[in-house]
Amino acid sequence: ETGVTQSPTHLIKTRGQQVTLRCSSQSGHNTVSWYQQALGQGPQFIFQYYREEENGRGNFPPRFSGLQFPNYSSELNVNALELDDSALYLCASSQAKTGYSLNEKLFFGSGTQLSVL
Amino acid sequence: AQSVSQHNHHVILSEAASLELGCNYSYGGTVNLFWYVQYPGQHLQLLLKYFSGDPLVKGIKGFEAEFIKSKFSFNLRKPSVQWSDTAEYFCAVSANNAGNMLTFGGGTRLMVKP
Repeated sequence: ETGVTQSPTHLIKTRGQQVTLRCSSQSGHNTVSWYQQALGQGPQFIFQYYREEENGRGNFPPRFSGLQFPNYSSELNVNALELDDSALYLCASSQAKTGYSLNEKLFFGSGTQLSVL
Repeated sequence: AQSVSQHNHHVILSEAASLELGCNYSYGGTVNLFWYVQYPGQHLQLLLKYFSGDPLVKGIKGFEAEFIKSKFSFNLRKPSVQWSDTAEYFCAVSANNAGNMLTFGGGTRLMVKP
């Protein structure tokens, strides 16, 4: 067990809709990051939050946004869903003190499988 | 921006065979290197990582990897695989100032026959 839980586990949406995915990290994990894993590919970094502020972003458009809350939960929001957004979305957290620490291990959740029809 | 390529998409081995999975990265600066494993039905977990120092890194479950800077490679090795090593393996890199913000390769599916 990683102590990182994601909900829901599966979700079906239609093109143009909006979706919110949720992640709950271990207490004390100040850094949370989100990854998109399309079928047959490796995870792609979406963004990272440290103490409720975004401190790193991958090559994803602004319709991908996030929030991190003081209770170690976080959200990934995607607006105007497109068919290509169908993927497994992974949340990962760590206890990094600075948000950039390599010495802290990343703990991954099991993901939310999003299907866009 | 960095990129990672894993040469083998699928590998099938018999138990006790030796394993080497290739990983090459593209990035002009200093990198940190990782190997992650995903067992069937489980979450991603870290096998080993390289930041600096000895280029031969030992990880969990008997795995090791060697960083060869001149070849931009970080290949994963295990002398003798077990059936329980059946999993998908991902190589990942991060820029030196980017901590755990990772760029992953496409993964290699390993099947070990008993």
